Amino acid sequence: DAGVIQSPRHEVTEMGQEVTLRCKPISGHNSLFWYRQTMMRGLELLIYFNNNVPIDDSGMPEDRFSAKMPNASFSTLKIQPSEPRDSAVYFCASSLEAGRADTQYFGPGTRLTVL
Amino acid sequence: SQQGEEDPQALSIQEGENATMNCSYKTSINNLQWYRQNSGRGLVHLILIRSNEREKHSGRLRVTLDTSKKSSSLLITASRAADTASYFCATPTSGTYKYIFGTGTRLKVLA
Repeated sequence: DAGVIQSPRHEVTEMGQEVTLRCKPISGHNSLFWYRQTMMRGLELLIYFNNNVPIDDSGMPEDRFSAKMPNASFSTLKIQPSEPRDSAVYFCASSLEAGRADTQYFGPGTRLTVL
Repeated sequence: SQQGEEDPQALSIQEGENATMNCSYKTSINNLQWYRQNSGRGLVHLILIRSNEREKHSGRLRVTLDTSKKSSSLLITASRAADTASYFCATPTSGTYKYIFGTGTRLKVLA
């Protein structure tokens, strides 16, 4: 299996622009997580999907952030409009089930820079 | 606030030496996981230890869990330059699926 796939790997954009990050989870995994990592705040969980349904988006920082999972093999995280403070590395992770004792498999991340 | 916090924040050792990292957490848990992150990469799962286990081994890794002290340690024996990475502990928040990741220990192994 190719593992979790994220695109793009790097994104540089200007403030106010729309940014869309993409994720393909591991085939057969039912749970998908979006995280954001910064030096100041560490690794933060933004949103979690189970069987393509958003279960908890309490970590989404603002209404400017939205996430979708139209099918079991694809998810997007959108920021509109983007701001410089959104600069971070965004990770997608998937797991078989969202149980309490389940391994999460992380993608390589998308490094976002908002100028 | 962080559920898990690693200590030390940074550690530099010579190749062949052992590296020990500690994780403290605040609430009761039923399991704890350790992950490794190489520079510029995603996190990779290393080991999971359940609350009824005190020690677990995986290759050169040894993890201990002390639920009474709410702490865990990760020992890497006979370290190699390739072990250079950040190491994170992750604990589930009470009653939920969410894993909270600690602040990480940056390990540097000098050849």
